[in-house]
Amino acid sequence: DAGVIQSPRHEVTEMGQEVTLRCKPISGHNSLFWYRQTMMRGLELLIYFNNNVPIDDSGMPEDRFSAKMPNASFSTLKIQPSEPRDSAVYFCASSFVGFQFFGPGTRLTVL
Amino acid sequence: QKEVEQNSGPLSVPEGAIASLNCTYSDRGSQSFFWYRQYSGKSPELIMFIYSNGDKEDGRFTAQLNKASQYVSLLIRDSQPSDSATYLCAVKEGSGGSNYKLTFGKGTLLTVNP
Repeated sequence: DAGVIQSPRHEVTEMGQEVTLRCKPISGHNSLFWYRQTMMRGLELLIYFNNNVPIDDSGMPEDRFSAKMPNASFSTLKIQPSEPRDSAVYFCASSFVGFQFFGPGTRLTVL
Repeated sequence: QKEVEQNSGPLSVPEGAIASLNCTYSDRGSQSFFWYRQYSGKSPELIMFIYSNGDKEDGRFTAQLNKASQYVSLLIRDSQPSDSATYLCAVKEGSGGSNYKLTFGKGTLLTVNP
């Protein structure tokens, strides 16, 4: 069992650039969550999907953030344009009957 | 705004002692409660869940739930240096259905000293 897979593991980019984070959930899980973690704000839910449909995107900070889930095995989180305050660790988690399992995360640094 | 509160710590205990981690939540309708462990630089890992009032034991870990007081705790018996991590309390909103959204506390940093 490969677990939740995220790529890239580390991303360093310059302010204004587009950033795309990728996630492959655990096979058979029907819910997918994108989180952001910082020291100041802790672990924040950005958006989640049930059966590939976005259910709650109230945590998405602004229009610069967008997320898609075109099929059951793939999701992306895009930031365009990126800003230094977006620097954080971004986690993807997948869930079946309520138990969430996290991927290794993507550490994003925006210079 | 649903809230989950934890003492940020750090909580420092000697090896072999009992570590007690506490969490309170604001949504009285919450039904499911989870504890995650997060080592520095790693992702959160689910270690315990509890649905019913009372205690639930799994090895050295005991989760305790008191819905009337909106309080959930995690006890770690015979603490080991390898237990040193941040412990996140998470609460599932509402009950049933397909809403599996969790609200996380900011975590308590536990340090177990050899």
